[in-house]
Amino acid sequence: QSVLTQPPSVSGVPGQRVTISCTGSSSNIGAGYDVHWYQQLPGTAPKLLIYGNTDRPSGVPDRFYGSKSGSSASLAITGLQAEDEADYYCQSYDSSLGGYVFGAGTEVTV
Amino acid sequence: EVQLLESGGGLVQPGGSLRLSCAASRFTLSSYDMSWVRQAPGKGLEWVSSISGSGGDTNYTDSVKGRFAISRDISKNTLFLQMNRLRADDTAIYYCARRQVIGAYAGGMDVWGLGTTVTVSS
Repeated sequence: QSVLTQPPSVSGVPGQRVTISCTGSSSNIGAGYDVHWYQQLPGTAPKLLIYGNTDRPSGVPDRFYGSKSGSSASLAITGLQAEDEADYYCQSYDSSLGGYVFGAGTEVTV
Repeated sequence: EVQLLESGGGLVQPGGSLRLSCAASRFTLSSYDMSWVRQAPGKGLEWVSSISGSGGDTNYTDSVKGRFAISRDISKNTLFLQMNRLRADDTAIYYCARRQVIGAYAGGMDVWGLGTTVTVSS
């Protein structure tokens, strides 16, 4: 049971906008800790996609958009492309556990 | 190019030990917090352990406390994970990852290795 809750899967057609939610609690996201998002393509290591709730590392397309409100965060992908098929994970810090926590991951199908 | 390269994985019997290594290139471990993150077959990411840039702070997920130990050798720019009393549920790909630093801000894990596979089975 992950501390951060994500939907197991989302799907869309090319060009569509999809959103992945990440719901936490008062000991992690709700406590003000930043949320980061990772993309993991099949058979590869995770890649940092969004950091600090909303910021994109250099090279990440602006089709990927992060937001945070209260105890939840969201990742939106606009203009969905076939190459976006991957697993997406949210991550934060939990003060009760004293360490980092990941969501269970969301599989995006295009 | 900034890089992390893990090694040391393999097949080990339950109750056995392994020492994972993670060699860092083009940056200095002492300037960054580092973590080990694992992924069991067909499962999601799980944070395992972290060590601060100073080396003075270490943290572990509950399931490995007392069994695993994170450390580093600054002279070799290498991160380690000593894993003792291994169990079947420790079977996973183990990644080392660097926590990004942008000025005074420390954020997500911006550099990941390719991973090393640990299989615990008799």
